[in-house]
Amino acid sequence: GENVGLHLPTLSVQEGDNSIINCAYSNSASDYFIWYKQESGKGPQFIIDIRSNMDKRQGQRVTVLLNKTVKHLSLQIAATQPGDSAVYFCAESRIGSFKTIFGAGTRLFVKA
Amino acid sequence: DTEVTQTPKHLVMGMTNKKSLKCEQHMGHRAMYWYKQKAKKPPELMFVYSYEKLSINESVPSRFSPECPNSSLLNLHLHALQPEDSALYLCASSQDRTGFNSPLHFGNGTRLTVT
Repeated sequence: GENVGLHLPTLSVQEGDNSIINCAYSNSASDYFIWYKQESGKGPQFIIDIRSNMDKRQGQRVTVLLNKTVKHLSLQIAATQPGDSAVYFCAESRIGSFKTIFGAGTRLFVKA
Repeated sequence: DTEVTQTPKHLVMGMTNKKSLKCEQHMGHRAMYWYKQKAKKPPELMFVYSYEKLSINESVPSRFSPECPNSSLLNLHLHALQPEDSALYLCASSQDRTGFNSPLHFGNGTRLTVT
């Protein structure tokens, strides 16, 4: 069945270092991938997305990489800050579909 | 601050009560969603409305009854809930997805406790 999962449930990084959060998906029909950030007591917040016709997309301090060959998605955060501490969810969807499937989530801890 | 507003932020209700959760967005989005999120778990889709019509019901028990009065409002009516229904209920909206993709915009949720 469809599955979007994460390799590591928690990640601890030093402030100022780069963070890499990984995600695996199993549905080869997925063509739209999204990363969300969820802080304590808040709803998920959109960070960055990528379509299957791309393999890399950059935002402000964040980069998403997509490897369709091995069905792998990653989120890179440059110069991680304490405000980046949160749970990060990868998610996948398909063009025209209202369904978004979320991965299990990775909790990022940033040490000062 | 989120552009999707949910009320109330917290709700405690007994198993015989009737209550409603409310959601509002003014981004002009024509798709609105209800998600349920248990602690330390990802959000799970419950319902989707597209152009004020129910598009998806993910086999949700009938004690949850959604309503979309207009393009900006989404309600979730609750009746005879069980303690296991305690969770964070998230509302989201997006642009119409016909032919393309767009991200979800979430509210901060209603923390529901059923006693």
